Amino acid sequence: AQKITQTQPGMFVQEKEAVTLDCTYDTSDPSYGLFWYKQPSSGEMIFLIYQGSYDQQNATEGRYSLNFQKARKSANLVISASQLGDSAMYFCAMREGHNAGNMLTFGGGTRLMVKP
Amino acid sequence: GAVVSQHPSRVICKSGTSVKIECRSLDFQATTMFWYRQFPKQSLMLMATSNEGSKATYEQGVEKDKFLINHASLTLSTLTVTSAHPEDSSFYICSASGESGRKTQYFGPGTRLLVL
Repeated sequence: AQKITQTQPGMFVQEKEAVTLDCTYDTSDPSYGLFWYKQPSSGEMIFLIYQGSYDQQNATEGRYSLNFQKARKSANLVISASQLGDSAMYFCAMREGHNAGNMLTFGGGTRLMVKP
Repeated sequence: GAVVSQHPSRVICKSGTSVKIECRSLDFQATTMFWYRQFPKQSLMLMATSNEGSKATYEQGVEKDKFLINHASLTLSTLTVTSAHPEDSSFYICSASGESGRKTQYFGPGTRLLVL
């Protein structure tokens, strides 16, 4: 069964507008972490934001925020004030347990295209 | 964030030859390193997890005799693709976690392998 699901293979957003990238997950482990990564055409994986399952508040990092809805098992990424440089693939990932040595499971990704 | 390097960034080889890819954590000790493979327009698929000084744990479907992984030190892991074939052409990316990577794994820039 899919553990991480990203239902939007591609998204367009107008420059300077906000965009939400969807991610749902499935786990029976009460302790887990959720991650978002950006992958530009160069291929590098850039860490954006992290949400722990026990965190009380939604994570924010600059223009990135994570809309964590634990009961719905969703962890959507919100990018505010989109910039042309935000055009890239975005991957949601989950790690079960909080040990950094545990593996990450990735969703299928969403390609975001920012229009000028 | 922590820095992970990969070498080479690109390699072209003939079918039947072996290729070694190095992954180094430059500013922290990586107790665990991960190797992923990514085909075009697809997500990252974990190949194996390696802990320093022990044998790598391979994911189902990944041939351990074909993809040799060595993690001899806390800063270096190598992936050797033995007797490479055109179907092994892919983007290989490593990540590392350790003391300073409590929340996330830090990814290398990736290696594009083309087997002719």
